[in-house]
This record gives sequence, structure tokens and C-alpha cells, in this order.
Amino acid sequence: DVKVTQSSRYLVKRTGEKVFLECVQDMDHENMFWYRQDPGLGLRLIYFSYDVKMKEKGDIPEGYSVSREKKERFSLILESASTNQTSMYLCASKPGQGVSGYTFGSGTRLTVV
Amino acid sequence: QQQVKQSPQSLIVQKGGISIINCAYENTAFDYFPWYQQFPGKGPALLIAIRPDVSEKKEGRFTISFNKSAKQFSLHIMDSQPGDSATYFCAASTETGRRALTFGSGTRLQVQP
Repeated sequence: DVKVTQSSRYLVKRTGEKVFLECVQDMDHENMFWYRQDPGLGLRLIYFSYDVKMKEKGDIPEGYSVSREKKERFSLILESASTNQTSMYLCASKPGQGVSGYTFGSGTRLTVV
Repeated sequence: QQQVKQSPQSLIVQKGGISIINCAYENTAFDYFPWYQQFPGKGPALLIAIRPDVSEKKEGRFTISFNKSAKQFSLHIMDSQPGDSATYFCAASTETGRRALTFGSGTRLQVQP
């Protein structure tokens, strides 16, 4: 069964901390994505990557950065966590250049206190 | 700027009834329109998708209706069941350019027995 695995299901961090959210996929997909999900706002794209060491800004990249050193792993970094970054974070991957075939992870619920 | 607008925010339907969720988009370059279903504690999963060369697509009890001129599409769930209770997201993407999904704000569906 193909999988996108997010390392933590729940995470509590303090304001100002540097936070790493990890995502690993086992499907050899070229494309990986980070979304945040908030009630009433749906899923909003933070960053995505078409290939190793490549990254593109999404719609809400401010306060975030990403790293993709290996094809299967895509990390989301909060350089200095703030309370307005409390949210559900979803990682996804997708094969090839088409628009279909997304697989989502189960999410990381991050609370910044 | 919300490029995909979804309504209603929540919906309560009796078992056996029809659930209807609507979405409208602004970007005429969108050419792929999926619907995702999300259960609590899980990531979104693809339910059904349509491309603009057809006006309707049906898979079992789920139907997408697409109106290109109005830039609207909708999900119809026939004979709704309690197991359909979930959050539904419409989305849109392009085959060229940025191929990341743009999501609607979500609809929480509750099917009462």
C-alpha cells in the first residue's frame, strides 16, 4: 500500500522555536507538497517541489521554508514559530507531470503556545 | 484571493437523500476539477474528478456536474449514507504552469440515520 508518512501526528511547540515537520513517501513520486488546513479556509498551499533540491513558493510561504535533499523526503521548516502557525499541516506527493494522482499524508496537528 | 469558492460550509442530510455541494472558480486556465473526501484523522482522498470536455461524470452514487460557461461545478451524492459523513473539498488545477491543486474551503457533510 502506497504511503505518505508524516513523522508526527501531534506537536506542541513554543513561540520562537524552530520547528521541523517531516514527510516521507515510498512511491518514488517526483512532486511533493505542503498544505495547511484551517477551518473555513480549506487547504492552502505553502510550498511544493518538482524535484530534488528544487522548491517553489505556494500561496502562503511567509514564515516557512522547505528542504528536499532526497526524492522521498520533503521537510517543512518554521524558522521561528508563531501562534498564527497553529494549524493542521498536510503533506502530499504526486507522480510525473500530470495533475492527478495525489496522495496525502494523515497530517500533523501543530500547536504553537 | 480565493480562486475556488465552495458552498455550503456545512450540510445535514437525511439517510437516502441527495447531498449537493457547489463550487465556483475564477481562473479560466483550470482544466482539472477533482473532489476530495476527508474523514477525521485522515488526509484527503480523491473521490471523483472531471475535465472540462464533459459536462457530467458519474461513479456509483457520486456525480460531478460541470458548467464551463458559468465556471461552476458541483458534487451530487445520491442515496446519501451515514458512512458518507465527512468533509468534502473541491479543487482545481491546470495541466500546464503551476500544477498544484487549489482547494475550496470545504463542506462538512453529516448524514443522519
